[in-house]
Amino acid sequence: GAGVSQSPSNKVTEKGKDVELRCDPISGHTALYWYRQSLGQGLEFLIYFQGNSAPDKSGLPSDRFSAERTGGSVSTLTIQRTQQEDSAVYLCASSSGLRGNTGELFFGEGSRLTVL
Amino acid sequence: AQSVAQPEDQVNVAEGNPLTVKCTYSVSGNPYLFWYVQYPNRGLQFLLKYITGDNLVKGSYGFEAEFNKSQTSFHLKKPSALVSDSALYFCAVRVLTGGGNKLTFGTGTQLKVEL
Repeated sequence: GAGVSQSPSNKVTEKGKDVELRCDPISGHTALYWYRQSLGQGLEFLIYFQGNSAPDKSGLPSDRFSAERTGGSVSTLTIQRTQQEDSAVYLCASSSGLRGNTGELFFGEGSRLTVL
Repeated sequence: AQSVAQPEDQVNVAEGNPLTVKCTYSVSGNPYLFWYVQYPNRGLQFLLKYITGDNLVKGSYGFEAEFNKSQTSFHLKKPSALVSDSALYFCAVRVLTGGGNKLTFGTGTQLKVEL
């Protein structure tokens, strides 16, 4: 597709369940990012993939959060044993990723997670 | 650490009046600065960026931003606001990391344009 695609757009789950959120970046973009937007909060960086390099996981809030990127394209963010404080909109973005790139990110419309 | 600050949670302005959404930055070296807009239930959309060159940067939807190095500011402006400009606005700075880069965002400013 032409833009960043995320699924599901909405997810309601029970506390303690695991969830998976999917991101399909813009074709050809080597960099992929996950951010979290909580109600009334700004955007919180979670994790960043760049090509075949080790991901930058410095923003993951706990070991319940993990992400992988298969084949340098689609990414899945997994949250294990969900807690109510995990409720947020999870935004995925991609970019051409080169260090010399000016840094503009292209965002998907997000996956809204509600943990009951 | 590279960071940006948006001191106002909300800005209200009447349609047709000029608007300003404030952003200040703290970086080492030359800053790469961005503005994004988020309409309700949508992802973020790129508005404009400052890399180098002219301090006044023009972007989408008639928005512009002024880079001021002495004041470490990058305020977003528009000469005449529209009701349709009502949205959440984020300032961001590029942070170099590993072999690439990422953006660190401010907390956002809700712009409300009223008739």
